[in-house]
Amino acid sequence: KAGVTQTPRYLIKTRGQQVTLSCSPISGHRSVSWYQQTPGQGLQFLFEYFSETQRNKGNFPGRFSGRQFSNSRSEMNVSTLELGDSALYLCASSLLASGARRSTQYFGPGTRLTVL
Amino acid sequence: GENVEQHPSTLSVQEGDSAVIKCTYSDSASNYFPWYKQELGKGPQLIIDIRSNVGEKKDQRIAVTLNKTAKHFSLHITETQPEDSAVYFCAASILGRTYKYIFGTGTRLKVLA
Repeated sequence: KAGVTQTPRYLIKTRGQQVTLSCSPISGHRSVSWYQQTPGQGLQFLFEYFSETQRNKGNFPGRFSGRQFSNSRSEMNVSTLELGDSALYLCASSLLASGARRSTQYFGPGTRLTVL
Repeated sequence: GENVEQHPSTLSVQEGDSAVIKCTYSDSASNYFPWYKQELGKGPQLIIDIRSNVGEKKDQRIAVTLNKTAKHFSLHITETQPEDSAVYFCAASILGRTYKYIFGTGTRLKVLA
């Protein structure tokens, strides 16, 4: 099985712009989670989608949003970029269904976003 | 709030020695504890996980132990090799209730040849 794929791998933007990142989960996985990784804050949870619905959201401003499509692919969008948004954005997929006992998350390689 | 503390932040060991990384979680409802290894330029890769109904789990040179009373869990790597050099993250989650992982801050392990 192919792993989690993320595009693009690298992105450079300037302050005030917006950006859209894409994630394709492992085939058959219906849950997609997004994390922001920075040297100072580590891995921080952004949000999680299952069957096109956001089920959980981390403590990030409304500039960060996401969505999931019927084929489980997910996108996240950051509007009005700030310098502090520079980070590695990781997507993880899992087979998780409501009440399921398994929720192991498998990560993609990430998208490295640099805001100038 | 939810929190996972991880120690040490850096760890250097000689090849062949053992390495131990420790984590403490705050939410007593946590019942699933995965460990991830992240190499440079890559996403975190799951190396082992443990559920709260198990006290210890082993997979070749890697083992994880869990002390629910103390809310501690640890990663043990024996007979370390240079390819074990990476950043290791612990995480805690609550299966069946929440869908997010709370990660520790990471441990940079260097195995010296």
